[in-house]
Amino acid sequence: AQSVTQPDIHITVSEGASLELRCNYSYGATPYLFWYVQSPGQGLQLLLKYFSGDTLVQGIKGFEAEFKRSQSSFNLRKPSVHWSDAAEYFCAVGDNQAGTALIFGKGTTLSVSS
Amino acid sequence: GAVVSQHPSRVICKSGTSVKIECRSLDFQATTMFWYRQFPKQSLMLMATSNEGSKATYEQGVEKDKFLINHASLTLSTLTVTSAHPEDSSFYICSARDPGQGSYNEQFFGPGTRLTVL
Repeated sequence: AQSVTQPDIHITVSEGASLELRCNYSYGATPYLFWYVQSPGQGLQLLLKYFSGDTLVQGIKGFEAEFKRSQSSFNLRKPSVHWSDAAEYFCAVGDNQAGTALIFGKGTTLSVSS
Repeated sequence: GAVVSQHPSRVICKSGTSVKIECRSLDFQATTMFWYRQFPKQSLMLMATSNEGSKATYEQGVEKDKFLINHASLTLSTLTVTSAHPEDSSFYICSARDPGQGSYNEQFFGPGTRLTVL
């Protein structure tokens, strides 16, 4: 079955510390991978995406993610977290077919402590 | 990037009434749009795939007679929640794929509509 697993429901990180959010996927076709961020009551904002090529992708707001095919993972990282990064983070997987929706993980809530 | 809008952003209605939510692709034509539903503190769950000029494809467990989807043009899809009840209260989000992005299935999301049924 196709699925996305985000093992961590809630993570708290000190401001200025590094961050890694985990994402594992199970997908039958070549996966296209995405990370989205959602602030309370807001829509989704795309942080970064991976389609092909370099397995380390850079996104907005200083985020990066690394695609590891052997581990079926696409973990999100940030070297120094800011208080404004506190939000809900979703990993999603899809493919290149026009009629295919994205499959989302359950999300990880990030809290930032001062 | 491509922009998708939703209207209204927030709606409160009485139980038993119907509510229509619009999803528009502002600067591209979308043959396919998707409707998701998100309960508080939960992930997005796909409700249906909306295809321009044809019937929507609903996910298992989603009542097609309750959640009417119309995709009458390449830039507009509507979701109508008929005879809404409090359990239909949720955050509804649409997305659309921009064919101009090439073969990549990048979808652009609307800002969402918060529905509260009293």
